[in-house]
Amino acid sequence: DAEITQSPRHKITETGRQVTLACHQTWNHNNMFWYRQDLGHGLRLIHYSYGVQDTNKGEVSDGYSVSRSNTEDLPLTLESAASSQTSVYFCASSADWQREGRSTGELFFGEGSRLTVL
Amino acid sequence: RKEVEQDPGPFNVPEGATVAFNCTYSNSASQSFFWYRQDCRKEPKLLMSVYSSGNEDGRFTAQLNRASQYISLLIRDSKLSDSATYLCAVTFYYKLSFGAGTTVTVRA
Repeated sequence: DAEITQSPRHKITETGRQVTLACHQTWNHNNMFWYRQDLGHGLRLIHYSYGVQDTNKGEVSDGYSVSRSNTEDLPLTLESAASSQTSVYFCASSADWQREGRSTGELFFGEGSRLTVL
Repeated sequence: RKEVEQDPGPFNVPEGATVAFNCTYSNSASQSFFWYRQDCRKEPKLLMSVYSSGNEDGRFTAQLNRASQYISLLIRDSKLSDSATYLCAVTFYYKLSFGAGTTVTVRA
């Protein structure tokens, strides 16, 4: 069965260190997204990609970067981890949107990566 | 102002009760609307889309009010298994924005 997996599921790191969260999907979806979820804020979009070599900033992209070298993977890198980046991170993918931006709205989420920055 | 806002609840209801809650969105040009369900900080999963004419899926009814820019979700005959956080989601072009979620707890 197709799936989307994230690793690591849990990570503790120190302020200033570089951290990479992996996301791998076997749906063959063009669209991939990274969200962070914090109490009171819900899911906030960090970065997204609509295909290989395409990346875009979301609403909370400062301090994060992504790269899309193939269809299956969208790793999220925290260049210099900060305590404010302690959060649960969800990767998601979706099939192509329909025309004019209308979509089925179905994102397939990974199980999440819980990151603690000390 | 947040793009999507929800009453966080919690809504604490007995089994068999009806519970309803809304979600407001700020962008009048928003195109598509959805409800997701999230259990105990697990990954969100699509519950249902919301259409202009309103739609039902079993015990769940979703409504869209474009004039007032809100969507609603009604759960009839609540089950213990309905206990979860319900996230509304709105698209504008190719981005999906989520509300912070409404927590529903169904008690025996």
